[in-house]
Amino acid sequence: GDSVTQMEGPVTLSEEAFLTINCTYTATGYPSLFWYVQYPGEGLQLLLKATKADDKGSNKGFEATYRKETTSFHLEKGSVQVSDSAVYFCALSAYTDKLIFGTGTRLQVFP
Amino acid sequence: DAGVTQSPTHLIKTRGQHVTLRCSPISGHKSVSWYQQVLGQGPQFIFQYYEKEERGRGNFPDRFSARQFPNYSSELNVNALLLGDSALYLCASSLEGLGGPNTEAFFGQGTRLTVV
Repeated sequence: GDSVTQMEGPVTLSEEAFLTINCTYTATGYPSLFWYVQYPGEGLQLLLKATKADDKGSNKGFEATYRKETTSFHLEKGSVQVSDSAVYFCALSAYTDKLIFGTGTRLQVFP
Repeated sequence: DAGVTQSPTHLIKTRGQHVTLRCSPISGHKSVSWYQQVLGQGPQFIFQYYEKEERGRGNFPDRFSARQFPNYSSELNVNALLLGDSALYLCASSLEGLGGPNTEAFFGQGTRLTVV
């Protein structure tokens, strides 16, 4: 069945460092891909999405490109801030709004 | 505009009891989905409802049930609670729940259920 694999965390960075969180997926057909962020004690917020191959989703300095050839959707940010500390989830949806999530990657940014 | 609202925010129950969790979707959204998030894991899909009909069900036992009301709000019921049911239960709403390029699911803050 469909699945999402994320790199394990925690990812620990200094402020202004470059961030990459890897995400690969397995799916039949052409799913939509998402990154969600979860701050401590809160629900999930959609960070960005891409709905077809080669699309780039971007928001708040974060970017991810839908790569069908490598079945990947890696999250990147050029300069992280302390306020970016959270858990990041990669997810896909196929033919309904049912979301399949990865296990999440905790990001810790220190001043 | 109000987002997705869930109640209660926290709940403590004893093994064997029953629990009802509630969700109000964003105004105009007709689809509601429920997810279970165990500590340290990603959310797992439980149910999706659209226009009061069950559209999808995840791999959860029959102790889990849900329904959607004419105003599109929804309830998740769990019977015979087990310690392993302790989790954050998230509700998400979307316009029609059909997927596709314009789909977007909006999540509530969740209900933290602790079973003791």
